[in-house]
Amino acid sequence: QVTLKESGPVLVKPTETLTLTCTVSGFSLSNARMGVSWIRQPPGKALEWLAHIFSNDEKSYSTSLKSRLTISKDTSKSQVVLTMTNMDPVDTATYYCALSYGGFDYWGQGTLVTVSS
Amino acid sequence: QSALTQPRSVSGSPGQSVTISCTGTSSDVGGYNYVSWYQQHPGKAPKLIIYDVSERPSGVPDRFSGSKSGNTASLTISGLQAEDEADYYCCSYAGSYTSSAYVFGTGTKVTVL
Repeated sequence: QVTLKESGPVLVKPTETLTLTCTVSGFSLSNARMGVSWIRQPPGKALEWLAHIFSNDEKSYSTSLKSRLTISKDTSKSQVVLTMTNMDPVDTATYYCALSYGGFDYWGQGTLVTVSS
Repeated sequence: QSALTQPRSVSGSPGQSVTISCTGTSSDVGGYNYVSWYQQHPGKAPKLIIYDVSERPSGVPDRFSGSKSGNTASLTISGLQAEDEADYYCCSYAGSYTSSAYVFGTGTKVTVL
């Protein structure tokens, strides 16, 4: 059974750096063809793709947020980490990690991050 | 990378069919056969219902179908049921390492009348 679970702070202050961890079980991050994305959704708004790490460790980022994002993985820990710098209230959202194989086949439950002083 | 364009809302009566469009460009929808669709109920994580334009994951009812023509992909729900009332998002592969790999649509709310 494949599961993903996001963890990280629920509240961050403006200008701080957000670090989120996605812990996966039921599959290996070294599995070919698989990748993991981070996707966010502000309250009441649409999904926004942020970053993706491929099975070969190549990375891709949203062009509009590229300067603020870093994605990495630790295969031995079955974790994918996203850092986002210089947080702003507009970054308040539910952050999801999702496993891609065909589409985004499996999703975590999401974690709501609020940016406020 | 701009979001793919979807209608804000569509509605239909139980048993009817509804179609949601998803319009992109030749750099995303039109350039790859990697369009996927997601269903999201309030307070829940999205669920994959179509991938690779028209493939259904195991367990997804066959009344959900996908297609693509040029830069526009479509999701059709046939035999609409009450539990189909949800938000729907398309997503397309849009490149690789040097550009945004994926882009989502603006989302469509489906209402069952």
